[in-house]
Amino acid sequence: DAGITQSPRHKVTETGTPVTLRCHQTENHRYMYWYRQDPGHGLRLIHYSYGVKDTDKGEVSDGYSVSRSKTEDFLLTLESATSSQTSVYFCAISGQGSGYTFGSGTRLTVV
Amino acid sequence: GENVEQHPSTLSVQEGDSAVIKCTYSDSASNYFPWYKQELGKRPQLIIDIRSNVGEKKDQRIAVTLNKTAKHFSLHITETQPEDSAVYFCAEMRETSGSRLTFGEGTQLTVNP
Repeated sequence: DAGITQSPRHKVTETGTPVTLRCHQTENHRYMYWYRQDPGHGLRLIHYSYGVKDTDKGEVSDGYSVSRSKTEDFLLTLESATSSQTSVYFCAISGQGSGYTFGSGTRLTVV
Repeated sequence: GENVEQHPSTLSVQEGDSAVIKCTYSDSASNYFPWYKQELGKRPQLIIDIRSNVGEKKDQRIAVTLNKTAKHFSLHITETQPEDSAVYFCAEMRETSGSRLTFGEGTQLTVNP
């Protein structure tokens, strides 16, 4: 309904396994972002994209990679999940210099 | 680097009272300041924003003020209602930063009936 969807909504995975989270937008926005939200830390930027195949690191990028092969899709991959990556992950989209629209979030638990 | 400090971390008010949340930032080049409301288990949603060429902006019961000299901006909620209970995040952006927002750590607002 907000032009942005995340999948899956919930995931439980084992330590050491790879995990990919998907963000899909229908707004044709240039910018897409992945944030993680943890108690006491607010929202912290993992990676962001400013166009197809154009990505850059945020403040907590270690252990994460991203890809954007199409305007509408931005994928976040945990190459080898660790318990410290248990978190709620939010994708967001925006136009130039404007506020974000967030997805509904993915609750990831690494056991 | 960018840094946003948000205070208080928790705020409890009686229904009908006003609530004020304050954020300070360090980058004098910051020029866009949004506020987000996040209800429990939901996504953050933009409730009001202000740009650096404006000192104040209002939308019904909420307002945001910006003091560029002191590098702080505040969210004001008047006539608070129980449905205003949520976590509120401030954020700042430099236009030259790839449109990236840096968020404060959030304020848990509780409005008691």
